[in-house]
Amino acid sequence: AQTVTQSQPEMSVQEAETVTLSCTYDTSESDYYLFWYKQPPSRQMILVIRQEAYKQQNATENRFSVNFQKAAKSFSLKISDSQLGDAAMYFCAYRTLRSSGTYKYIFGTGTRLKVLA
Amino acid sequence: EAQVTQNPRYLITVTGKKLTVTCSQNMNHEYMSWYRQDPGLGLRQIYYSMNVEVTDKGDVPEGYKVSRKEKRNFPLILESPSPNQTSLYFCASRSGTSPSEQYFGPGTRLTVT
Repeated sequence: AQTVTQSQPEMSVQEAETVTLSCTYDTSESDYYLFWYKQPPSRQMILVIRQEAYKQQNATENRFSVNFQKAAKSFSLKISDSQLGDAAMYFCAYRTLRSSGTYKYIFGTGTRLKVLA
Repeated sequence: EAQVTQNPRYLITVTGKKLTVTCSQNMNHEYMSWYRQDPGLGLRQIYYSMNVEVTDKGDVPEGYKVSRKEKRNFPLILESPSPNQTSLYFCASRSGTSPSEQYFGPGTRLTVT
């Protein structure tokens, strides 16, 4: 069974600095997607970035980038120039394709990011 | 505006009293899912639907029912709620065209006493 592990329950970063959130996963599949979601205090789930497993190039969205290491099954999120609005819970997620043809999402337990002014 | 709506947003109920949480999306998405979020456990998929009348169990389906009679709606039914179903529930939808983003509803905070 696939699993997603976020080993850092909480992280802190100084405003304008860079922080990296870790995520590892376990799967025997070769075709899948990986995601980072942000959940601010409003509880809304917001997609931050997506990575297709078949792409070697790391995804980037403005100040957010990932380090995708397929062989190591690692998918870390780097936030550059951290802003107060980045403070949130961040979830790493894996999307698989089930044999039934439906899609299953597996989420990690989350990392709470605090941004210090 | 493209969105997923859930109702109610907050609900306090008692053990055994049947309830339904509605979910509706206006994006003509094929796929819809229900998740529950609990502290320290992240989000766990309850049920999934890939189209009308097609549903599949997620990781934690016990105690829940779903139906997909219309493409836009995917209600979550708790026939006999218990305190261990106290949680934050999210509905989500996505297009069947890959790659596609999963859109989440605003969440429903359910308390079962």
